[in-house]
Amino acid sequence: EVQLVESGGGLVQPGESLKLSCAASGFTFSDSPMHWVRQAPGKGLEWVGRIRNGYATAYAESVRGRFTISRDDSKNTAYLQMNSLKSEDTAVYYCSRQTDSCNDYWGQGTLVTVSS
Amino acid sequence: EIVLTQSPDTLSLSPGERATLSCRASQSVYNGYLAWYQQRPGQAPRLLIHVTSRRATGIPDRFSGSGSGTDFTLTISRLEPEDFAVYYCQQYGSAPPYTFGQGTKLE
Repeated sequence: EVQLVESGGGLVQPGESLKLSCAASGFTFSDSPMHWVRQAPGKGLEWVGRIRNGYATAYAESVRGRFTISRDDSKNTAYLQMNSLKSEDTAVYYCSRQTDSCNDYWGQGTLVTVSS
Repeated sequence: EIVLTQSPDTLSLSPGERATLSCRASQSVYNGYLAWYQQRPGQAPRLLIHVTSRRATGIPDRFSGSGSGTDFTLTISRLEPEDFAVYYCQQYGSAPPYTFGQGTKLE
């Protein structure tokens, strides 16, 4: 059974950093591109970025230069390092697996709140 | 960046009725790489349809997708109570960002 479990969310102040983790199981993690998607309270889904199985990354304009996606295939884990956080980064952050041009499995999400 | 516009924002129907949700792209979607997701309150999104019309594993056949180029449709043939949720389309173009539509709430 495919499982994705995010962790690391919490309350931080503007300008601070936070690192999210996404622990994967039930599939060959090293073969799969992984995405991060976020959802601000009461809003729609926003694509944040992705890392390919070859480690190439891509980001949304809104987070480029502040957020970094990485992965450790030995630990079956993807990461989202978030720096210089702003109030508008407050959201539930989901990780998801990409296959065949879609995201077929999603984690349950972790809430990040940026507030003073 | 491809912008996806979904319509309507809210669709009010009753169980047993047919639902038609639209997703329009600002430019042609590469290879028809357009997916649909369902999100119920407090839950993560769930993949329904990918590559325009392919149902994901375990998705009932009352869900169908169609379209090409810039215009795509999700149809739910006979609404069940559990289908009342928010639906998003997403495009996987030849390059990121892989944008989402703003969502359609089915109530």
